[in-house]
Amino acid sequence: AQTVTQSQPEMSVQEAETVTLSCTYDTSESNYYLFWYKQPPSRQMILVIRQEAYKQQNATENRFSVNFQKAAKSFSLKISDSQLGDTAMYFCAFMSGSARQLTFGSGTQLTVLP
Amino acid sequence: DAGVTQSPTHLIKTRGQQVTLRCSPKSGHDTVSWYQQALGQGPQFIFQYYEEEERQRGNFPDRFSGHQFPNYSSELNVNALLLGDSALYLCASSLRRATNEKLFFGSGTQLSVL
Repeated sequence: AQTVTQSQPEMSVQEAETVTLSCTYDTSESNYYLFWYKQPPSRQMILVIRQEAYKQQNATENRFSVNFQKAAKSFSLKISDSQLGDTAMYFCAFMSGSARQLTFGSGTQLTVLP
Repeated sequence: DAGVTQSPTHLIKTRGQQVTLRCSPKSGHDTVSWYQQALGQGPQFIFQYYEEEERQRGNFPDRFSGHQFPNYSSELNVNALLLGDSALYLCASSLRRATNEKLFFGSGTQLSVL
């Protein structure tokens, strides 16, 4: 079974600054995908960024980028130029290549301060 | 293009009752997954439906059942409700043949069991 661990329950950052959210996972599979989802107060889970395990290049989506360390099973999210609208709960998630179901971490509540 | 829609938004039931939650997938999607998100936790996978059959199931008792209709919409049924079933229930849709493994989530149904 796969596990996803987010060790930072809460974090805060000043507007326009950079923040990094940590995530580690455990799996014996070689084909898998990793995701960061954002859940604002509206409760809808919104995909922020996605990484295929077979790709060495770190994924980037505008102000969001990841640091994927496959050997260390680490998958951190960096948010640059933080904005007030980034305030939300952030979940790291794992999906194996064979089973299309997500395993989520416990989340990190990010607050962007004005 | 409508995204994933869920109904109702909120629901209050008493212990022992039965409840049905509904989900309409994003246009063009054929696969529906259900997740349970307890307060302060990450979502947990309940089951997934494709071609009107349950394809994968998480670690949930038989009290949790589902259905998928020919138009790809889905229902989640929970029998003999327990206080511990109080949670946000999220529906996610995807396209089976897609290779990008992206799931789109609805805003959820908040179930309170008294």
